[in-house]
Amino acid sequence: DVKVTQSSRYLVKRTGEKVFLECVQDMDHENMFWYRQDPGLGLRLIYFSYDVKMKEKGDIPEGYSVSREKKERFSLILESASTNQTSMYLCASSLYRFDEQFFGPGTRLTVL
Amino acid sequence: AQTVTQSQPEMSVQEAETVTLSCTYDTSESNYYLFWYKQPPSRQMILVIRQEAYKQQNATENRFSVNFQKAAKSFSLKISDSQLGDTAMYFCAFSGAGSYQLTFGKGTKLSVIP
Repeated sequence: DVKVTQSSRYLVKRTGEKVFLECVQDMDHENMFWYRQDPGLGLRLIYFSYDVKMKEKGDIPEGYSVSREKKERFSLILESASTNQTSMYLCASSLYRFDEQFFGPGTRLTVL
Repeated sequence: AQTVTQSQPEMSVQEAETVTLSCTYDTSESNYYLFWYKQPPSRQMILVIRQEAYKQQNATENRFSVNFQKAAKSFSLKISDSQLGDTAMYFCAFSGAGSYQLTFGKGTKLSVIP
């Protein structure tokens, strides 16, 4: 059974803290994605990666960075968390371009 | 840039009835893929159905089917014999043939009423 896991379901951080969100997939997928989900806005792509050490900006990359050192792992980094980054963060992976994306359970991040 | 519009923020349907969720999109590409994803309350998002634009035949998956109108850029989802487990947020999504990205609509919250 395919699986995408995320390091935390819920996370509470303080303004200015550095935050790491981890995502791991066990499907040997080439592509991995980080989305942000907010009510009334749907899902918005933050960053994606199509290969190890490769990354591309999505629609809302400001305030975020990513790291992909291994094929199965894709990390989202908030260098200095701010309250407007309070949101649900979803990780996904896919084998091919324009293919089905498999999603993780999400991390609900609250920045106080 | 592509856009995806879901005009119904919320819908409800009686159990065992049929419901149709609307989706329109805007693109200048001729080849692309369309998806419906389902996100149940507090559960992971999963793919419901996928349509390839070059295929004329509408996709079906058990009780789920689509009405794909390429000229009108419309991609609606029909759920037949609605079940309580169909209660979820439903997202329509678009991917260009050469793209890694999915562009999502804002979602429709569907409630199935017993």
